[in-house]
Amino acid sequence: ILNVEQSPQSLHVQEGDSTNFTCSFPSSNFYALHWYRWETAKSPEALFVMTLNGDEKKKGRISATLNTKEGYSYLYIKGSQPEDSATYLCAFRRGSDSWGKLQFGAGTQVVVTP
Amino acid sequence: DAMVIQNPRYQVTQFGKPVTLSCSQTLNHNVMYWYQQKSSQAPKLLFHYYDKDFNNEADTPDNFQSRRPNTSFCFLDIRSPGLGDAAMYLCATSRVGALTDTQYFGPGTRLTVL
Repeated sequence: ILNVEQSPQSLHVQEGDSTNFTCSFPSSNFYALHWYRWETAKSPEALFVMTLNGDEKKKGRISATLNTKEGYSYLYIKGSQPEDSATYLCAFRRGSDSWGKLQFGAGTQVVVTP
Repeated sequence: DAMVIQNPRYQVTQFGKPVTLSCSQTLNHNVMYWYQQKSSQAPKLLFHYYDKDFNNEADTPDNFQSRRPNTSFCFLDIRSPGLGDAAMYLCATSRVGALTDTQYFGPGTRLTVL
């Protein structure tokens, strides 16, 4: 895989349900994987930076895992709430980029309905 | 609060009429980025400044220029906007040399070309 791909493109979740979605990235020359949350009319907000294979990060009801050998990361939302509605972007940084260039995926749009 | 500010939030211009988007930051970060995001696509890096050094992505059209008169401000100039330049333009900053490469984003400027 050469680009950063996210799936699904969008998903609808009932309030209280849990969900997860995927970010796939190049498995070579890995440096870091970032997750951002982008709510409508707001700035994209950094959620996690993950650097080590097997990393798990957690922030409230949101968590993420990282597999650098196979080139994927999962983001989980437990007990979804309407305020979790947002587009979730992942971004890959190559080790060969010295100044922090990020390659973004197109995002997964999450809509949580009451 | 330290932040990244973009003005205006919405910009309407006419085909071929030059337009300037602005970005300012209070984070004192040494890198500033401009991204273009079209609907349902990944944010695409146009260029970045590392301090005063300007770095253009290879596929950024000549129609797009940028200025960074000081650490705090960065401008995106579109010399002759075409219909295909309608998009969300995101400004971001980061500090090279920090423990992470987290980029901090403004809320974006949505450009409409009539």
